[in-house]
Amino acid sequence: GAGVSQSPSNKVTEKGKDVELRCDPISGHTALYWYRQSLGQGLEFLIYFQGNSAPDKSGLPSDRFSAERTGGSVSTLTIQRTQQEDSAVYLCASSLSAGAGANVLTFGAGSRLTVL
Amino acid sequence: AQSVTQLGSHVSVSEGALVLLRCNYSSSVPPYLFWYVQYPNQGLQLLLKYTSAATLVKGINGFEAEFKKSETSFHLTKPSAHMSDAAEYFCAVSEGAQKLVFGQGTRLTINP
Repeated sequence: GAGVSQSPSNKVTEKGKDVELRCDPISGHTALYWYRQSLGQGLEFLIYFQGNSAPDKSGLPSDRFSAERTGGSVSTLTIQRTQQEDSAVYLCASSLSAGAGANVLTFGAGSRLTVL
Repeated sequence: AQSVTQLGSHVSVSEGALVLLRCNYSSSVPPYLFWYVQYPNQGLQLLLKYTSAATLVKGINGFEAEFKKSETSFHLTKPSAHMSDAAEYFCAVSEGAQKLVFGQGTRLTINP
């Protein structure tokens, strides 16, 4: 597609439920990132996929968070047993892995998660 | 590991005044440095980037930033603020092809 697509755009869930957030990156972009943006906070790095390399999961806040990227394209971020502090906007971004476009991230519009 | 510190979570300037948003970085290798902007209710977009070419980098909307290795800084400036510049600005650093790490952001308010 022309841009990074995220779904759902809004998700309201009850505490303790599991949620899945989807990201469809720009075709040909080998790097994919997930960030979390909480109210009044900056961009918190969650996880980074680069081609076929093992993902950098160093930003995942707890073992309730996981992400996968199938076929080097679409990624799913899963949050199990959601807590109220998980409420935030989850941003996905993709980029080329080399050359002038490296690290120039194109962001999706985000998925706003509200945990009641 | 690389890190970014943005000095001042909120900056307020008058329309027409100089805009200065501060960013200091930590990196063990020559870094790539970026400024991104997030307008209200919109996603983030790239303002400008430094990738070891000219130390003074010009971006969109009249913004520029200067890489100063001795000060480990990459401050963002604009000579004359416009009301449309009100947004949140994020500085970011990466080490080559490694992940991009963002600062906490600076919210810029423009007073009429």
